[in-house]
Amino acid sequence: KQEVTQIPAALSVPEGENLVLNCSFTDSAIYNLQWFRQDPGKGLTSLLLIQSSQREQTSGRLNASLDKSSGRSTLYIAASQPGDSATYLCAVGKNTGNQFYFGTGTSLTVIP
Amino acid sequence: KAGVTQTPRYLIKTRGQQVTLSCSPISGHRSVSWYQQTPGQGLQFLFEYFSETQRNKGNFPGRFSGRQFSNSRSEMNVSTLELGDSALYLCASSSGHTDTQYFGPGTRLTVL
Repeated sequence: KQEVTQIPAALSVPEGENLVLNCSFTDSAIYNLQWFRQDPGKGLTSLLLIQSSQREQTSGRLNASLDKSSGRSTLYIAASQPGDSATYLCAVGKNTGNQFYFGTGTSLTVIP
Repeated sequence: KAGVTQTPRYLIKTRGQQVTLSCSPISGHRSVSWYQQTPGQGLQFLFEYFSETQRNKGNFPGRFSGRQFSNSRSEMNVSTLELGDSALYLCASSSGHTDTQYFGPGTRLTVL
């Protein structure tokens, strides 16, 4: 069974700082990987989707990388803002269908 | 374009009862997945429906079941509720085969 781990579990940074969130998975036979954010009491919002054949994806201040062979992905957030405060989750997609294995999440707080 | 909607948003039931949750995907999306989110276990995949057929199933007991209608709307049913079924139930839709997942706001189920 695919195990997905995210480190750190919580992170607090001052506004403007660049930061990296980590995600590791045990089975490299993945189809894709998604990064989500979840705000308290709300559903998930997809941030970036990386197909297994890709190495990275970028959207605005966000950059996600994927290294299948080492079972790792990172989410880089540039120039963090208080509005970035949320829980960030990575999810690994199986080879078929839309079944995703989620990590435990990193709770990010950006201090003004 | 309207997002994924889930009804009801909150539900309180007692042990032994059954419950039905509803999810309406984004128009044109044919895949609907269901997840259970709890503080202890995080996000766990329940099942996925694609064009009215269950395509993937997670490791949940048979008390958890679902279906999808011809208009892609999906329902999830939990019979003989247990205290441990208290959770946020999220559904997600996507357009097809392993694509970006769009999540609804969830249904908060409390079992007393």
